[in-house]
Amino acid sequence: GENVEQHPSTLSVQEGDSAVIKCTYSDSASNYFPWYKQELGKRPQLIIDIRSNVGEKKDQRIAVTLNKTAKHFSLHITETQPEDSAVYFCAAGSTLGRLYFGRGTQLTVWP
Amino acid sequence: DGGITQSPKYLFRKEGQNVTLSCEQNLNHDAMYWYRQDPGQGLRLIYYSQIVNDFQKGDIAEGYSVSREKKESFPLTVTSAQKNPTAFYLCASSPFAAGELFFGEGSRLTVL
Repeated sequence: GENVEQHPSTLSVQEGDSAVIKCTYSDSASNYFPWYKQELGKRPQLIIDIRSNVGEKKDQRIAVTLNKTAKHFSLHITETQPEDSAVYFCAAGSTLGRLYFGRGTQLTVWP
Repeated sequence: DGGITQSPKYLFRKEGQNVTLSCEQNLNHDAMYWYRQDPGQGLRLIYYSQIVNDFQKGDIAEGYSVSREKKESFPLTVTSAQKNPTAFYLCASSPFAAGELFFGEGSRLTVL
């Protein structure tokens, strides 16, 4: 099956700085790569996703990049704010199957 | 109000008892999932179902059982065979396999 590695496990940044979280995957058949945000005590929610026919996708301060050759994808958050503090999960999967999640990154944004 | 509902939110169990966690969705989603969340472990898949009356084991199915008799419902039973059942359990649904997951609020199970 698929194996998704996520780094770093914790990340602290100053408000206004950028944050980058990186994931690698093993199965070349994976073609769907979502990112979920889980605030403390709440359910995970999708914040952005990318499919393998696209190299980059942006939504306001959040962007995801995908390198299929190297089998890695990254989440970029610019101009971080305290409300960005949460656990972020990457995932990989195929549209015919299930998702495999990384172990999560605890992002803390200091004011 | 559409969504996915889990119950109970908190549950305490004595060792040797089976417990069933409820998950109901009114989103008309075909696929439903059960995840277990432990600190530092991410979201680990227990079971999933892509269609009524069919389900597949995930990565940590031992000690758990499920049923999918209705499209809207996907209950999870934590059996006494599960060695370390204390955890936070999340149910999710998606309109199709590997589509956007919509999560419930979770059920926290504590074994006394």
